[in-house]
Amino acid sequence: EVQLVESGGGLVKPGGSLRLTCAASGFTFSNAWMSWVRQAPGKGLEWVGRIKSKTDGGTTDYTAPVKGRFTISRDDSKTTLYLQMNSLKTEDTAVYYCTTQSGYRFAYWGQGTLVTVSS
Amino acid sequence: EIVLTQSPGTLSLSPGERATLSCRASQSVSSTYLAWYQQKPGQAPRLLIYGASSRATGIPDRFSGSGSGTDFTLTISRLEPEDFAVYYCQQYGSSRYTFGQGTKLEIK
Repeated sequence: EVQLVESGGGLVKPGGSLRLTCAASGFTFSNAWMSWVRQAPGKGLEWVGRIKSKTDGGTTDYTAPVKGRFTISRDDSKTTLYLQMNSLKTEDTAVYYCTTQSGYRFAYWGQGTLVTVSS
Repeated sequence: EIVLTQSPGTLSLSPGERATLSCRASQSVSSTYLAWYQQKPGQAPRLLIYGASSRATGIPDRFSGSGSGTDFTLTISRLEPEDFAVYYCQQYGSSRYTFGQGTKLEIK
C-alpha cells in the first residue's frame, strides 16, 4: 500500500524558512517522479514543483511564484522527499501535499501538512 | 501557461441524477495530459480519471471522462451520496501542471 506522510509544517514569520518532509513507502521510491501541491485555505489546488527520478536526470521544475525561493530534493536511501522553503510570504500559507506521479497525473497523495506564514 | 476554466462553479443535484462537469482549456491540451480529481472536506484529493477518459484504480464505472482539444467533460451517471464533493481538472504542458478552479457538487 502506498503511503505518503508529510511533516514539518507550522507557523513561521514572513521572510522565514521551513523544511517539509514526506516519508514514502509501499512503492519503489527511487523510480518515482514526485511533486508538491498546495492548497491555500478555502482555495483550489496549485502545483508547487516536481523532481524527477535520478535515472531520469533528477531535475526539478517549479511554478513561477516559488521559483528561486523553494527547493525540492530527495534522499532515495531514506525514501524521503523534501521541500525547502525560504523567504516565505503570507501568500505561501497553505496545506502542502506530497504526491507521486504516474505519467502526467498525481496518482497518490499524502494527508498534507499546514504551513502558516504570519507575523 | 495553459489556464483551465471549470463550469459551473457550483452544481446542485439530487442523488440518482446525472452530473456533467466541464473543463475548458485556454489552448489545446493533449488528452494524454488531462486528469480529474475528487476532493472531500478535510481530505486529500483523489485521482479519478487520467488520459481524459481512463478510470483510475478502484474508481466506480459511474464516473466517466471525455473530450479533446480544449473541451473536456467529467460525467457521473447516477449520483451516490458519497459523490458530493469538489472536482478539479488538471493538465500538463511545458514542464508545468495547472488545475482548474474546481466545481463544487452539492446536494439539492
